[in-house]
Amino acid sequence: DTGVSQDPRHKITKRGQNVTFRCDPISEHNRLYWYRQTLGQGPEFLTYFQNEAQLEKSRLLSDRFSAERPKGSFSTLEIQRTEQGDSAMYLCASSFDGETQYFGPGTRLLVL
Amino acid sequence: SQQGEEDPQALSIQEGENATMNCSYKTSINNLQWYRQNSGRGLVHLILIRSNEREKHSGRLRVTLDTSKKSSSLLITASRAADTASYFCATDEADSSYKLIFGSGTRLLVRP
Repeated sequence: DTGVSQDPRHKITKRGQNVTFRCDPISEHNRLYWYRQTLGQGPEFLTYFQNEAQLEKSRLLSDRFSAERPKGSFSTLEIQRTEQGDSAMYLCASSFDGETQYFGPGTRLLVL
Repeated sequence: SQQGEEDPQALSIQEGENATMNCSYKTSINNLQWYRQNSGRGLVHLILIRSNEREKHSGRLRVTLDTSKKSSSLLITASRAADTASYFCATDEADSSYKLIFGSGTRLLVRP
């Protein structure tokens, strides 16, 4: 499968714990995006990388959130000291330049 | 914040009928994309229409774009039960062609 992959697909954690998600983009894609989606809503932009450079972070991305894309390949999204309000689907997408963004299957996070 | 708004929020039709969904947005765009999302899964890209295009076809899908009204429509002809999903429009912003801004989606139910 040469699409975008995300790991894990599901994560249940207790409030206050740290969690880390991984995204592997389509191999030739230079741009990588993270979005968050809550129930009944469309995805909301969180952050964006061009190669290894993080070029924008949304106001939604509080200080507890950090994303990296070392070597411009896979990316990780870490949430520290999780809160119940962090429960959502976290979606990763990749594109070549600014064209079509292809999405992964998402990581569903539940914070108890 | 959400840029696009889909209309209707929910649509129920009989298999074989056509389904029309509308999307409105607020700012100037480079392109508009439509995505499908099956329950609890990632987004599947359906079609991209550029700001200088007025209509585009892909299989049973027909998309129109009216930049003067800042609106788009997605028509699915001869619907099938497998078309049951949520449909989202997503726009970029003309001065920042990276992040997508999604509407809240139309939930389509195709009854067999």
